[in-house]
Amino acid sequence: AQKITQTQPGMFVQEKEAVTLDCTYDTSDPSYGLFWYKQPSSGEMIFLIYQGSYDQQNATEGRYSLNFQKARKSANLVISASQLGDSAMYFCAMREGGSNDYKLSFGAGTTVTVRA
Amino acid sequence: DSGVTQTPKHLITATGQRVTLRCSPRSGDLSVYWYQQSLDQGLQFLIQYYNGEERAKGNILERFSAQQFPDLHSELNLSSLELGDSALYFCASSVGDQSPFHEQYFGPGTRLTVT
Repeated sequence: AQKITQTQPGMFVQEKEAVTLDCTYDTSDPSYGLFWYKQPSSGEMIFLIYQGSYDQQNATEGRYSLNFQKARKSANLVISASQLGDSAMYFCAMREGGSNDYKLSFGAGTTVTVRA
Repeated sequence: DSGVTQTPKHLITATGQRVTLRCSPRSGDLSVYWYQQSLDQGLQFLIQYYNGEERAKGNILERFSAQQFPDLHSELNLSSLELGDSALYFCASSVGDQSPFHEQYFGPGTRLTVT
């Protein structure tokens, strides 16, 4: 079964507007971490933001915030005040505490294109 | 800059050949992970090392192997290369291996092209 689902293959957003990238996850493990990464066209994977399963508050990092809805098993990324440099592929990922390897399981990604 | 280094950045080789990809983790990180990113498979976990010991294997082919050295750098060896091995190979590191709450920092990747 797919552990991470990103249903939006691509999105367009106007510069200075906010955009929400959807992510749902599937786990029965009570301990897990949720992560968002950005991959620009140059290829590198850039860590953006993290949310732990026991965290009571939504994570925020600058213009990035994570809308964590545990009961719905969703961890949507919100990018506020979009900039041209935000154009990239965005991946949602999860690490489960009960696994033996703590690997990251990734979604298929969402391509964001910011328009001027 | 994540602090994780990978060499080489690009690699072009022929089918049947063997290559070695190298990774140095961030200072202080003991865990190293290797991932493969291809168009058809997406991002797939290959193998994990912690402080020199293999911790877990994912979708790693038998033609592939890895190791982590005492100085914590890691090498991924790919042999008998096939066209389908063409992909972007990432190394990532994290401070430990026992918690799901530590983020992994990725290197810039090695783009392997098999012709």
